[in-house]
Order: sequence, then C-alpha cells, then structure tokens
Amino acid sequence: GAGVSQTPSNKVTEKGKYVELRCDPISGHTALYWYRQSLGQGPEFLIYFQGTGAADDSGLPNDRFFAVRPEGSVSTLKIQRTERGDSAVYLCASSLTRGPEQFFGPGTRLTVL
Amino acid sequence: QKEVEQNSGPLSVPEGAIASLNCTYSDRVSQSFFWYRQYSGKSPELIMSIYSNGDKEDGRFTAQLNKASQYVSLLIRDSQPSDSATYLCAVNIPGRGSTLGRLYFGRGTQLTVWP
Repeated sequence: GAGVSQTPSNKVTEKGKYVELRCDPISGHTALYWYRQSLGQGPEFLIYFQGTGAADDSGLPNDRFFAVRPEGSVSTLKIQRTERGDSAVYLCASSLTRGPEQFFGPGTRLTVL
Repeated sequence: QKEVEQNSGPLSVPEGAIASLNCTYSDRVSQSFFWYRQYSGKSPELIMSIYSNGDKEDGRFTAQLNKASQYVSLLIRDSQPSDSATYLCAVNIPGRGSTLGRLYFGRGTQLTVWP
C-alpha cells in the first residue's frame, strides 16, 4: 500500500516568509507525527496528533510554528516569519492507534535563504 | 532530560562480518525501542522494534534489549555493502493511557561495509 507522502519535497524560501508543509499519512493510521532533522543529527520531535487533536505539541520550538489536522487525516505544518535556523528536513510519520511503530515519509527539505 | 546515546562511529566492517551497533537511554519508563536505517539523503526506515528483554531476530538482524542496563543493540550478520547507512536508535515514552508517544532519537551511527 501507499506510504506516508509529503509535499513539497523541496522548498526554498526567503527569510521572513511563510511556508506550509503537507503530510498525508498511511491510510488507516490515526496518529501523525512531525519531526525535523538537521545534518548529522537524529530527528527531533515537534508535535503529534491523535485524530484531529494535538496530543503533544511540546516540541514546537516557538510560536512561529503551528500544525493542524482538521479532518484527522492530512496535516499541515505552518511556519511563519521563517528564519535561516529553520532550515532542515521536516519529516512526517504515522502510526496505528494500537501500536507505537512509526513510519516516515520522504521528508520536505526546507531551505531559508 | 531524556537522552539516547549511540556509539559515535563511524563503524567500518568488511563484507560478511558482524556489525554491532549500541545504544543506551536514560529514561527508565521507556517501553518501546526501535532501530531505523537511513540512507544518505533519504528518510528513516524502520527495520526492528523490540519491547521486552532479550533477543529478537529478523533475518540478518538481531535486536537485543536489557532494560536493567538501559541498553539496546543491533547486530547485523553477514554484512553487505547495501547495509552501509546511518542507523538510528529510537526510544518511545508513551503518553498517559496510551502506547503512543514521541520518539527520542540518538544521533545515529554511520556504518560502512566494504567489499
């Protein structure tokens, strides 16, 4: 079956601009997670949703970052007033309700100039 | 502070050898443990999960868990050049009333298998 999909695969933007990153989880997976990964580091947790609600948003670095999942499927990560330090690969993962195994999408590489 | 530490690497082994990757974690309430493989420029791919003490084997891969020592390892037998990748250890600390929760990752160990 289809895996987690993310769009766009690459995003280049200028400092101060607004960006949206989209994630479509594996069909039937109720939990959805956002991570970001910088070069040479492991993925760093941002937020996770169980259904439509954010179950844990403690990893969001500041109030410029926001994520939604209005219908319990597709999620959008929104970053306002982007900064050069936001440059990273943003990864989305999903899992079944009954199991902690998380499966990752291909990621979106964000570059802030 | 919940930490996941991996041996620094890089690790280089000849084809056919056993590669041993190690990971320690700091939080005793951790319940689920995972190994992900990440090829350069790609996203992490789940290759092993382990939940109870002991060994779990899947093909050429064996995961070992010792909760008392807060230690998890991955052995790759008969290593192949295609195993060359970064291996990420991840630990899950579930939320209240749920098995789900964020994963804490180590920095990864880069493995090179040379022909």
